[in-house]
Amino acid sequence: DVVLTQSPLSLSVTPGQPASISCKSNQNLLHREGKTYLHWYLQKPGQSLQILLYEISSRFSGVPDRFSGSGSGTDFTLRISRVEAEDVGIYYCMQGTHLPLTFGQGTRLEI
Amino acid sequence: EVHLVESGGGLVQPEGSLRLSCAASGFTFSNFYMTWVRQAPGKGLEWVANVNGNGNAEYYLDSVKGRFTISRDNAKNSLFLQMNSLTVDDTAVYYCARGGAYDLFFWGQGALVTVSS
Repeated sequence: DVVLTQSPLSLSVTPGQPASISCKSNQNLLHREGKTYLHWYLQKPGQSLQILLYEISSRFSGVPDRFSGSGSGTDFTLRISRVEAEDVGIYYCMQGTHLPLTFGQGTRLEI
Repeated sequence: EVHLVESGGGLVQPEGSLRLSCAASGFTFSNFYMTWVRQAPGKGLEWVANVNGNGNAEYYLDSVKGRFTISRDNAKNSLFLQMNSLTVDDTAVYYCARGGAYDLFFWGQGALVTVSS
């Protein structure tokens, strides 16, 4: 199975400051059809998951443009340009290139 | 608007059974893979099973093969997870999610399953 390793596992950020989360895979996530199925989710306290970015860098509908994603192959990064209070929660990366779908351990963002 | 609502969670004894349901709305249910993902207390996320749109292809986490069965009723826009021979390690919040071939775009709120004597 694909192992996704996130870092850091927690970070505390001052509102208005940037934040960055890394997700590294032990296998190349480029699918034979040419897409890379690496996605980012946020689980706000007491809530279910909501998708933020899909296929590395595409923002889902309604996601603020302060969220961006980059990377390729095995190394990926989620960036928040200016953290806001509503961004607190646990961020997960997930890969859908190889079955079974697997998730990173999660990164807890605190303000 | 896409809605996924899980039900059927609860407390069950080891070796017992439970059936989870997920009611879907806001999209053409039969067009999408559907997936169950679980999250044990204080732990990360674990994919459990998925099923294709017409229900004739299913995939399972190795540790649940032979014990869990995923199914769907497209006429009723519903997804199910039949869980048998439950162990304490199956204790988790179980989420229903739309998708599963490559991505999971929408998630339900989850149903808590507690396996304990």
